Amino acid sequence: ETGVTQTPRHLVMGMTNKKSLKCEQHLGHNAMYWYKQSAKKPLELMFVYNFKEQTENNSVPSRFSPECPNSSHLFLHLHTLQPEDSALYLCASSEARQGVNEQYFGPGTRLTVT
Amino acid sequence: KQEVTQIPAALSVPEGENLVLNCSFTDSAIYNLQWFRQDPGKGLTSLLLIQSSQREQTSGRLNASLDKSSGRSTLYIAASQPGDSATYLCAGFFRDDKIIFGKGTRLHILP
Repeated sequence: ETGVTQTPRHLVMGMTNKKSLKCEQHLGHNAMYWYKQSAKKPLELMFVYNFKEQTENNSVPSRFSPECPNSSHLFLHLHTLQPEDSALYLCASSEARQGVNEQYFGPGTRLTVT
Repeated sequence: KQEVTQIPAALSVPEGENLVLNCSFTDSAIYNLQWFRQDPGKGLTSLLLIQSSQREQTSGRLNASLDKSSGRSTLYIAASQPGDSATYLCAGFFRDDKIIFGKGTRLHILP
């Protein structure tokens, strides 16, 4: 595997379900990011982890809970979501949060909340 | 408020033509600017990154420029091909650690 991978690629869940999105990077990077991409809106940065520590939470509702057990893996735990949370969730990584910060993205998870 | 704007939202160009995509930003305290392409339903593919100390970067048929004083970046695509059809996004990385994306320009190359 190379680059940034995300699983699952597609997810349909009810509002009472609990699910998790997974991201893995094989680039030796130390920073990882979760973004939300909704129709007709710019990408929104949700969370940032730098050297496994959460450094940013951009006013994301608590029904989204990130986890970063090591620099290569990032999870997004989902519970009691709303239909407006349906979107493409993108994971990215970079060498570190500061510096050149060139970002590499995974293919995304298309989430539908019913 | 920091904003990154891409105009037009959509563009159609005959194959073989050269074209320019625009990205403007309101905060001149920009650290880097990165251009991406996104195919429908897919993730973002990095095209070029320009650091604030640079004025342009080139990769193959692509050339990106950065003018901090005017708050503009352009992505020049030479000799366009149908495979260039995609949405092109720019993202500004600012000195207060904010990362702001534009909404993108949807490019269609007509065969």
